[in-house]
Amino acid sequence: SQTIHQWPATLVQPVGSPLSLECTVEGTSNPNLYWYRQAAGRGLQLLFYSVGIGQISSEVPQNLSASRPQDRQFILSSKKLLLSDSGFYLCACSRALETQYFGPGTRLLVL
Amino acid sequence: GQQVMQIPQYQHVQEGEDFTTYCNSSTTLSNIQWYKQRPGGHPVFLIQLVKSGEVKKQKRLTFQFGEAKKNSSLHITATQTTDVGTYFCAGTDSWGKLQFGAGTQVVVTP
Repeated sequence: SQTIHQWPATLVQPVGSPLSLECTVEGTSNPNLYWYRQAAGRGLQLLFYSVGIGQISSEVPQNLSASRPQDRQFILSSKKLLLSDSGFYLCACSRALETQYFGPGTRLLVL
Repeated sequence: GQQVMQIPQYQHVQEGEDFTTYCNSSTTLSNIQWYKQRPGGHPVFLIQLVKSGEVKKQKRLTFQFGEAKKNSSLHITATQTTDVGTYFCAGTDSWGKLQFGAGTQVVVTP
């Protein structure tokens, strides 16, 4: 079965600084990959999804971007963080219409 | 576009009581999935329902998929403190896109 790694686990960054969150997947090939953000006590907001290397779909306009340089690597980035970017960032993977499996997440606090 | 609504948003339950959380979609779903997120944790897959009218059980949890495949419910009997967390439903539409509901946050009082 697949295993999803995310790092860092927690991150405190000043406003205006860059961001790079990494997600890697083991135990599966050619997965669909997803980035979600969850504000405190709220639901999951889909940010990006990818069906293959170099293929990124953005769900909401924002100052974040995503890249998929390798089949099982998904990166979330920002050039300049905003206060509103604080939240719990979750990476997930799935095969086609099947279940999504989530990584442990990265808690980001922008000050 | 498809919207998945969950009610209630919060559920306070006395230990030992039963409760139900509901999930409704504005469009017909290919399948519906349920996830549980413990406080401080990440969502964990519980179950997937695919067939119209399907009912599945996991110990004290009973999941139903509506006949029209537009709604679902999760019923928990004899609630325990380990049931604390947020329960999300997620529906897959005909284009294969999965949309999560906002979740039902469950608090259990001993």
